[in-house]
Amino acid sequence: AQTVTQSQPEMSVQEAETVTLSCTYDTSESDYYLFWYKQPPSRQMILVIRQEAYKQQNATENRFSVNFQKAAKSFSLKISDSQLGDAAMYFCAYRSYGGSQGNLIFGKGTKLSVKP
Amino acid sequence: ETGVTQTPRHLVMGMTNKKSLKCEQHLGHNAMYWYKQSAKKPLELMFVYNFKEQTENNSVPSRFSPECPNSSHLFLHLHTLQPEDSALYLCASSQGQLEAFFGQGTRLTVV
Repeated sequence: AQTVTQSQPEMSVQEAETVTLSCTYDTSESDYYLFWYKQPPSRQMILVIRQEAYKQQNATENRFSVNFQKAAKSFSLKISDSQLGDAAMYFCAYRSYGGSQGNLIFGKGTKLSVKP
Repeated sequence: ETGVTQTPRHLVMGMTNKKSLKCEQHLGHNAMYWYKQSAKKPLELMFVYNFKEQTENNSVPSRFSPECPNSSHLFLHLHTLQPEDSALYLCASSQGQLEAFFGQGTRLTVV
């Protein structure tokens, strides 16, 4: 079975600085998707970024980018120019490709604080 | 306005009560999900529906009963719950293998 591990329960960053959140996963599959979701105090899970495993290029969305290391099964999220609104829980998630549509597996999350 | 709407936002119920959680998606997706989010635990997938048919039941106790009358609506019927069932219940929808879109959740407290 696939597992997702986020080893940093909490992280803190100064406003305008850069922070990297770690995520590792375990799978025997070669094709899959990886996601980072943000959950602010409003509780709604919001998609931050998506990476297809077959793509070698790292995904980027504005200030958010990932470092996808397939061989190492690592999928870290880098937030540049951190803003106060980035403060939230961040969840790394894995989904099988071509399998059950319910197979979205989450890590335990990292709580990010942004200091003004 | 979110594409996935959940009601109510908060619910307090006794262990002998019967209540229902409602989820509605306005995104035209073909799959809908119920997740349970407890403190200090990963999100737990409870149920999956594809085109109104239940395709996954992740060993959820029978005191939780899902219903999907159409592709846009999903319910979670609750009865004789336990205090450990207190959690945030999240509904989500997706189209094919793409990412899931979530509602804001229902904070459930069982007393």
